[in-house]
Amino acid sequence: GDSVTQMEGPVTLSEEAFLTINCTYTATGYPSLFWYVQYPGEGLQLLLKATKADDKGSNKGFEATYRKETTSFHLEKGSVQVSDSAVYFCALSDRGGTASKLTFGTGTRLQVTL
Amino acid sequence: ETGVTQSPTHLIKTRGQQVTLRCSSQSGHNTVSWYQQALGQGPQFIFQYYREEENGRGNFPPRFSGLQFPNYSSELNVNALELDDSALYLCASSLYGAGQGTEAFFGQGTRLTVV
Repeated sequence: GDSVTQMEGPVTLSEEAFLTINCTYTATGYPSLFWYVQYPGEGLQLLLKATKADDKGSNKGFEATYRKETTSFHLEKGSVQVSDSAVYFCALSDRGGTASKLTFGTGTRLQVTL
Repeated sequence: ETGVTQSPTHLIKTRGQQVTLRCSSQSGHNTVSWYQQALGQGPQFIFQYYREEENGRGNFPPRFSGLQFPNYSSELNVNALELDDSALYLCASSLYGAGQGTEAFFGQGTRLTVV
């Protein structure tokens, strides 16, 4: 079955540091890939997405590129802020599935300090 | 445009009891999915409803059941509650047939505690 593997957290960075959160996936076919963010006490918000190989999703300074050859979708940001502190989830939806039938990774907690 | 709303926000139940959680989908969306998120884990897909019928189910026992109503709102019912059912339950809505990569919108969740 489909699966998503994320690097374990927590990840602690100083403000303005560079961020990478690794994500790899296993899926049959060609899934769509997503990064969701969860702030404390809240539900999930879509951060960015990519629907085919070599697509780059970007939003709020975050980027991730769909790499079919390495089955990866690593999240990056050049300069993190304290407000980026949250839990980040990598997810996929199978091409045969619908948008809200998602397979998630276990999440990576990011803590950004001054 | 209204977002996805869930009720209640918090709930405490006793082992063996039954619980009903509710979700109103985003305006214009016709598909609702439910997820269970245990503490420190990623959300796990429970099931999805489209056109008032179950349209896919994850690895959850039959005591987890659901409904979708003509206005696309949905309920999640859990019978014979167990301690391990304690989790955040998330509802997500989307538009079926809108194409791959269409965004799913999540509610803020219901925190269920089973004691």
